[in-house]
Amino acid sequence: DTEVTQTPKHLVMGMTNKKSLKCEQHMGHRAMYWYKQKAKKPPELMFVYSYEKLSINESVPSRFSPECPNSSLLNLHLHALQPEDSALYLCASSQVQDYEQYFGPGTRLTVT
Amino acid sequence: RKEVEQDPGPFNVPEGATVAFNCTYSNSASQSFFWYRQDCRKEPKLLMSVYSSGNEDGRFTAQLNRASQYISLLIRDSKLSDSATYLCAVKDNYGQNFVFGPGTRLSVLP
Repeated sequence: DTEVTQTPKHLVMGMTNKKSLKCEQHMGHRAMYWYKQKAKKPPELMFVYSYEKLSINESVPSRFSPECPNSSLLNLHLHALQPEDSALYLCASSQVQDYEQYFGPGTRLTVT
Repeated sequence: RKEVEQDPGPFNVPEGATVAFNCTYSNSASQSFFWYRQDCRKEPKLLMSVYSSGNEDGRFTAQLNRASQYISLLIRDSKLSDSATYLCAVKDNYGQNFVFGPGTRLSVLP
């Protein structure tokens, strides 16, 4: 089973709201990722967690705050977002950081 | 020069055709290579990893050419269901950087 789940599927939020995106995998993978994807563009890496520790932060603005509560869960906390942050947010996991990644279905975020 | 580049496409091919995509990468330290397919408004799905010796999975064949720094994906006997955007991904172990190419759109026509 190579399933990564994400909630919610869709999210509309105002620029003053605080919301969180959630990602879960039960494959025993030890690396988890957040990506941002705009229409007709490839996914762009935001954060990598390896063994529950933040491994890579690709210079993402502080209004995006990742959290890895345990090896199966990954959250992305959102605060004071801008309309240009509207995108598909994808979570992925891999056995360890160098291995192939499996993606969740994504959360389609609209910032109004 | 971008880190990872792909044939711009789109590729419009008839059912049953053979089609090949290329993906070039600029970082010679790149170690891991993958092909993904992405359907419209869906997540990328892993198609295959690309090994040094090349690998084949049914109608799909992937090759790696380290000297020229590119990977390729060959699809034989194209099906309508192969219509998607094909993304290559390259991982640089030195920098721990995982980068997707811009993708190549394939449309298989009846």
